[in-house]
Parts: sequence; structure tokens; C-alpha cells
Amino acid sequence: DVKVTQSSRYLVKRTGEKVFLECVQDMDHENMFWYRQDPGLGLRLIYFSYDVKMKEKGDIPEGYSVSREKKERFSLILESASTNQTSMYLCASSSPILAGGGGQFFGPGTRLTVL
Amino acid sequence: DQQVKQNSPSLSVQEGRISILNCDYTNSMFDYFLWYKKYPAEGPTFLISISSIKDKNEDGRFTVFLNKSAKHLSLHIVPSQPGDSAVYFCAASAWGSNYKLTFGKGTLLTVNP
Repeated sequence: DVKVTQSSRYLVKRTGEKVFLECVQDMDHENMFWYRQDPGLGLRLIYFSYDVKMKEKGDIPEGYSVSREKKERFSLILESASTNQTSMYLCASSSPILAGGGGQFFGPGTRLTVL
Repeated sequence: DQQVKQNSPSLSVQEGRISILNCDYTNSMFDYFLWYKKYPAEGPTFLISISSIKDKNEDGRFTVFLNKSAKHLSLHIVPSQPGDSAVYFCAASAWGSNYKLTFGKGTLLTVNP
């Protein structure tokens, strides 16, 4: 079974703190993604990476950065957390072949609250 | 600009009946479509997909229909079961997009016993 794990299920941080969210996948997938999910807004793509050290901005990259030093690990960084970054953060991975492959595989999510 | 739209935020059906979830898209470059199911406090899980070269794909109780001319797809669940109660997301991908998925906002399905 594909496994995507995220470092924390729940996280509470203060405004201005630097926050690291870690994601690890065990399927040797080339592609990894970070989304946030908010009520009424669905899943919005923050950043994705299609190879080690490669990254591309998604639809809402402002206030975030990412790091991919190893193929299995993709980190999301909130440089200075703000209350509007309170959300559910979801990491996903996929192989280059979407068709028949089940698309992207998601981790359980991290519920981040910024006070 | 929302490229994938799920216009019904919620749907309620009786156990044993059919659930039909709808999704519309605007980007004609989309060529692969997926449905995901999400329970609270869990990540989405893949349910079923369809390529643009097909108009129907079936997997057990789940069938996805694609109408390319109308840029519309639908997910049929027959028969619906209480365990199907979840948020369902429609997603689409365009060839050459580095396998990015564009998601709809989701539809909350409630199946009543």
C-alpha cells in the first residue's frame, strides 16, 4: 500500500512563528504536492515538486515556501505564520503516470491553528 | 476563475437509492478526471477515474460518466450506503501540466439509513 505520512496531525502555533510541515512517501513517487483545504473552498494547491530540488508554485503560494532535498520528503514552510494560514494542510504524491494509477495519494492531513 | 465546479455543496439520499454527484469544467485541455472521497480528519482517497477517450467507467457500485461536449461529468453510486457519507471531490488534469490536479470545492453526501 502507498503510504504518505505527515509529521503532525494537529499543530498549534503563534503568529509570527516559523512553521515546518513534513511529508514523507514510501512509493518512490517523483511528484509531491502540498494543498490546503478550507470550508467552501475545496483543495487549493500551494506548491508542488516533480523532482528533487525542483518546485513550482501552485495557485496560492504566497506566505509559503517548500523544500525537497530527498525524493521521499517534501516540506512546507510557513516563514511567519499568520492567522489566515489556519487550515487543514494535505500532502500528496503521485507517479508520473496518472492514468490507471489512482492519481495522487494523500496523507492524513495536518490541522494547523495559528493563534 | 474556477475551472472545476461542483455546484451542489450538499446532497442527501436514502440508503439503497442512487446518489448522483455532478461536476462541470471549463478548461478544454483537461483530459483525465478523478473522483476522491474524503472523511473528516482524513486525507482524500481515490475513488474512480476516467480518461477523456472514454465516456463511462465502472467500478462496483461506482460509475463515472463523462460528456465532453457538455464539459460535464457525474458520479453515480448505486446502491448508496450510510458508509458512503463523505465529501466527494471532482478533480481534473491536463496533459503536460506536470500531473497537477485541479479540484472542485466538493459535495457533502449524506446517506440516511
